[in-house]
Parts: sequence; structure tokens; C-alpha cells
Amino acid sequence: NAGVTQTPKFQVLKTGQSMTLQCAQDMNHNSMYWYRQDPGMGLRLIYYSASEGTTDKGEVPNGYNVSRLNKREFSLRLESAAPSQTSVYFCASSEDRMGGYTFGSGTRLTVV
Amino acid sequence: EDQVTQSPEALRLQEGESSSLNCSYTVSGLRGLFWYRQDPGKGPEFLFTLYSAGEEKEKERLKATLTKKESFLHITAPKPEDSATYLCAVQAASGGSYIPTFGRGTSLIVHP
Repeated sequence: NAGVTQTPKFQVLKTGQSMTLQCAQDMNHNSMYWYRQDPGMGLRLIYYSASEGTTDKGEVPNGYNVSRLNKREFSLRLESAAPSQTSVYFCASSEDRMGGYTFGSGTRLTVV
Repeated sequence: EDQVTQSPEALRLQEGESSSLNCSYTVSGLRGLFWYRQDPGKGPEFLFTLYSAGEEKEKERLKATLTKKESFLHITAPKPEDSATYLCAVQAASGGSYIPTFGRGTSLIVHP
């Protein structure tokens, strides 16, 4: 089983460019999440989707948008990338909102 | 505001030298406390969930315990392959979102 699959694994963007990070899970989980991880800051929640058809802001949503395309897929879009968005991005999923998470392997994004 | 503090930030052990990692928390009613392991360049991997004071969970050389204010991850006779960053996260019983608050992690290095 693949678990949570994120694409791409690495990306370099110029300031002002846009891109979409893709995430798909094959565990029939209801809830999905996008985190960013920065040195010294730990994991910070950007957006989450408690169930198909719903999305909510997390701790650091500014500059991002999300789409829960279906039960399997949850994408994160940067409309106009900024150097402050240089980070490692993790997608995660859980059977429901109360359980432990399964994380993907991450996307390392650099904005120059 | 929910707070999670992990200590120490970094820990170096010799192979076979047992030790403990600490996760202290402040939350308005604990619903669950989670431990994850994160290897360099990878996403966190779920280890344990603890729900109530006095509860213990074990997996190979790892044992997690929980009190009303903190959790310990005990590592018995560690091996080099136990080297990783260990993350703790707490989930409050109130609020409705059930989004956990993550600590910044303890980086463990086990020397052969």
C-alpha cells in the first residue's frame, strides 16, 4: 500500500510564480491535512479537510489555498510564491479527526 | 492556548545506553497524546496514542507513558537505527476541531 503520496518531491520557484502541490491517499481516510515544517518552528498546520466537501484554515493559511478534490485527493496551491514560503510541506491523513496521522514523504519547496 | 514542550532538544547516546525523552503539555482537557518518529528527509511516522494518565504503550525498545502533565518516551538499550527525531503532539478534548498541537521534537543520535 502506498499510503500518502505527495508530488512533486522537490520544487524551485521564482518569487511570484504559482504552483499546486498534490496529495493522494489510498487508505479511505476521511480527514486530510497540509503542514509546513521549518527549522526551529516544528510542524504548523496550513489547512485541513475534516471530511470530503469541507476545508478549514489552520494556524498559517495566508498565501495558500486548498481543494479537496474527492475523498482521496487534497491539493495545496500557492498563487504567488514568496521566499517566506520556502519550507518542507507535508500532507497527512487520518481515518477521522481524532486519530493518529499518516504522513507523506514531503515536498521540499524553495522560492528564490 | 495549548502548549507542548519537548526536552531535551537533542540527545546523544551510546548504543545500549537507556534514556528517556520528555513531553510536557498544557491543554484544556486532554483527549489524546501522540508520539511520532521522523527520519531525515521523511515524513513523521505514527508510533503511539495515549489517552489517560497511567496508560503505557510499548513497541520494541520504546515505551511511552503518560501522566496528567507529561509523557515520557523511554528507550531501552537503543541501537543506531533508533536515531531519529521524536515528535509529541497533544489533542484537546474541547474546541471541536481536534487538531493536535505538535512539539518541536527531540533529535536522538545513537552512536555504535
